[in-house]
Amino acid sequence: DAGITQSPRYKITETGRQVTLMCHQTWSHSYMFWYRQDLGHGLRLIYYSAAADITDKGEVPDGYVVSRSKTENFPLTLESATRSQTSVYFCASSLTGGVTTEAFFGQGTRLTVV
Amino acid sequence: KQEVTQIPAALSVPEGENLVLNCSFTDSAIYNLQWFRQDPGKGLTSLLLIQSSQREQTSGRLNASLDKSSGRSTLYIAASQPGDSATYLCAVKGYNFNKFYFGSGTKLNVKP
Repeated sequence: DAGITQSPRYKITETGRQVTLMCHQTWSHSYMFWYRQDLGHGLRLIYYSAAADITDKGEVPDGYVVSRSKTENFPLTLESATRSQTSVYFCASSLTGGVTTEAFFGQGTRLTVV
Repeated sequence: KQEVTQIPAALSVPEGENLVLNCSFTDSAIYNLQWFRQDPGKGLTSLLLIQSSQREQTSGRLNASLDKSSGRSTLYIAASQPGDSATYLCAVKGYNFNKFYFGSGTKLNVKP
């Protein structure tokens, strides 16, 4: 299907485990983003990428790792999951960084760390 | 750092009312402002995008305005319907690295 898809939609993992959230977009958008959404904090940027092999930190990058070897994929890895990383994670993409470009979001991954 | 605030946090109105949601931001150096809708347990759906040079955008019953100098945007919903019930989020794209900064949202409930 065209668009931006995240997998899995739901994930339960144990403290200390490594977990990877996947994001795939079919539009060849240059920019991709990872956000987490928590009550009381709204959406906060974790990492973003301007193109393949170019990534940079957002507001809350600690404990997360990203890579972007291909334009269409932007996986987010929690190296050693903690309970504070329980959240809903959203991936987004935009065509370019220009004035007219909208951001499009995936359906989210609800991650629970127990 | 850009701060985006949305007021009110929650709003409940009877069906048919016209309503206004507010969004304010602290840094006027923005590329654009985007309004989203989020249904419970779902992702974000883009509603309207206003470029920094524009004053307003319209789509159906929705009208969004932007006053960059005062750091404000409003989303006007005409003749509200129960299907409009959702959380509405605004986000600004700053000059710095094309990041989007989000408000915490306004949760709208339209009662039949």
